[in-house]
Amino acid sequence: QKEVEQNSGPLSVPEGAIASLNCTYSDRGSQSFFWYRQYSGKSPELIMSIYSNGDKEDGRFTAQLNKASQYVSLLIRDSQPSDSATYLCAVKNSGYALNFGKGTSLLVTP
Amino acid sequence: SQTIHQWPATLVQPVGSPLSLECTVEGTSNPNLYWYRQAAGRGLQLLFYSVGIGQISSEVPQNLSASRPQDRQFILSSKKLLLSDSGFYLCAWSTPWRELGDTQYFGPGTRLTVL
Repeated sequence: QKEVEQNSGPLSVPEGAIASLNCTYSDRGSQSFFWYRQYSGKSPELIMSIYSNGDKEDGRFTAQLNKASQYVSLLIRDSQPSDSATYLCAVKNSGYALNFGKGTSLLVTP
Repeated sequence: SQTIHQWPATLVQPVGSPLSLECTVEGTSNPNLYWYRQAAGRGLQLLFYSVGIGQISSEVPQNLSASRPQDRQFILSSKKLLLSDSGFYLCAWSTPWRELGDTQYFGPGTRLTVL
């Protein structure tokens, strides 16, 4: 069973703080890793993808991957109330399917 | 740029009725297409994927079926809906190449309620 685990939250952070979202996965054959953001009632939208160990930065977002520990994280700097959403971690091996975690709910308070 | 459409946006159907959800993609050729379902309190579950016209792979056995009659059209169907079919149905597309960066992009979704 290929599992992707995330804390359901809610994770509450004050405006301007750094939000740290974590994800672990069980399939050592996983090759591609994605973070999606999903607002309530809407479809997931891609934030970032990462394929190699280390950090990848895009604006206020930084994805971190550690394949040895089977761990991927997303940091959101200078969090804004508009960042309040559910963040989905998705993992892909050589097949077609994305395996999703259940998501972490983030609440950024003004 | 690529655009993905789904309709209807919302649907309320009685148990035992048929279902047809449609997804179309614009701005790309021969995309890989996917149907996911997101049930309340659960993660996204891949139902079907297609790598070409008439080529459908099922990930989860259920009373649903999928078809791809045209290159950029993907249809999800059922002959008789069950209560457990309620959920948020999402269509997604990706590039046709099995490369490492096989990112999937989601459509706006169809919210189905079976009563």
